[in-house]
This record gives sequence, structure tokens and C-alpha cells, in this order.
Amino acid sequence: EAQVTQNPRYLITVTGKKLTVTCSQNMNHEYMSWYRQDPGLGLRQIYYSMNVEVTDKGDVPEGYKVSRKEKRNFPLILESPSPNQTSLYFCASSLSSGGGYTFGSGTRLTVV
Amino acid sequence: GQNIDQPTEMTATEGAIVQINCTYQTSGFNGLFWYQQHAGEAPTFLSYNVLDGLEEKGRFSSFLSRSKGYSYLLLKELQMKDSASYLCAVRGLNAGKSTFGDGTTLTVKP
Repeated sequence: EAQVTQNPRYLITVTGKKLTVTCSQNMNHEYMSWYRQDPGLGLRQIYYSMNVEVTDKGDVPEGYKVSRKEKRNFPLILESPSPNQTSLYFCASSLSSGGGYTFGSGTRLTVV
Repeated sequence: GQNIDQPTEMTATEGAIVQINCTYQTSGFNGLFWYQQHAGEAPTFLSYNVLDGLEEKGRFSSFLSRSKGYSYLLLKELQMKDSASYLCAVRGLNAGKSTFGDGTTLTVKP
């Protein structure tokens, strides 16, 4: 089944403890992206990648890192999480610039 | 940058037609997308417009006017399951960047 898989689905962590949210797609998509969704603020793009080893900042990249060492994987790294990073995170991929995103199921992160 | 506006909420009756509007201001344009998001779930792709005109997909149609910075999503024969948030998104000239509107919450009533 064609899909984007994110893990974990839920995570509660403490301020400052490094964490990684994994994202993997099995559709051979070129484009991958991370979004966070907060009430009243909609979906905001954190980072995106247009191919292996090609990544760039979205609208809200502060406090996040990404890597794209292989086409299928696009992990999101929070080196030192803070409470303002409590949010619902979505990974998404698309075949090309003309393709709609396929989204993962989301990761609900709480930083205390 | 991009600025996208859509109504916050709409209500319609089962079986009716509803039109959800989206206006955008962008420094570059590489396509407009509509997504559906049910509460507690991930968004799902509905439609894509890059040229002016109407794209039809079953009960859903999407229209684009690039000169006016305007799009709409038309939902026909509304069903209760169409109650969801509808997100308008614009892809800029940098094809990796996509900006989403805040979404329109549609409630379908019997």
C-alpha cells in the first residue's frame, strides 16, 4: 500500500531532551516536507526536500533539523525541544511539483 | 511570500451544493491545491489547478483564476461525511514550498 509512515504517533517529552520523528515513504516520491499544525494557525511548513541531500527551510524552521540521506526517509530532529514546539506534526511527500501531497498520519508531540 | 484567505466556517444542507472560496497573493505561482481534513486525521489531496478553468472530479470541482488570485472548491450533492475542514494551498515558484490557508470548516446538516 502506498503510504507515508511517521513514528511515533504520540510523544510526550521533557524540555531539552533531543528527539527524532521518523518519516518514510514507499512511493519513490522526490518531494518531502514537514508541517506543524496548531489551532488557529493552520499548517505551517518547517522544512522541505526536493531530492536526496537537497533540503531547505520552510516558514518556521527554528529549532528543527532535517536530513535526506536516502530518497524514502526524511526524519525531523528536535535537538533541544521547548514547550512552544508542542504541536501536531505531519510529514508529506509528492511525486513532483504538480502532484498533491500524501500525508502521514501525524505525530502529536507534547513538550513539558 | 504567500498570503491565503478562506472563510473560517460554512454550513450547508445535505444534498445541496456549496462553494468554498480561496483568495491568494503570491510572489510566484506553481499551482493551487485543495485538501480535505476530517477532525483528528491527516489531510487528503482533492484537486490541483495550475491553469485557469474548472477541473471536475466526481462530486468535487475546483476552479482557478490566476489573474484574480482566486480559486473555489465546489461540492455537489453534499453528504454528511463531507463535514470536514477544506484547506487551500499554493505552491510557489520554489516548487518545494507550499503554503496552506487556515482552512474552512464545513458542517453539513441533515
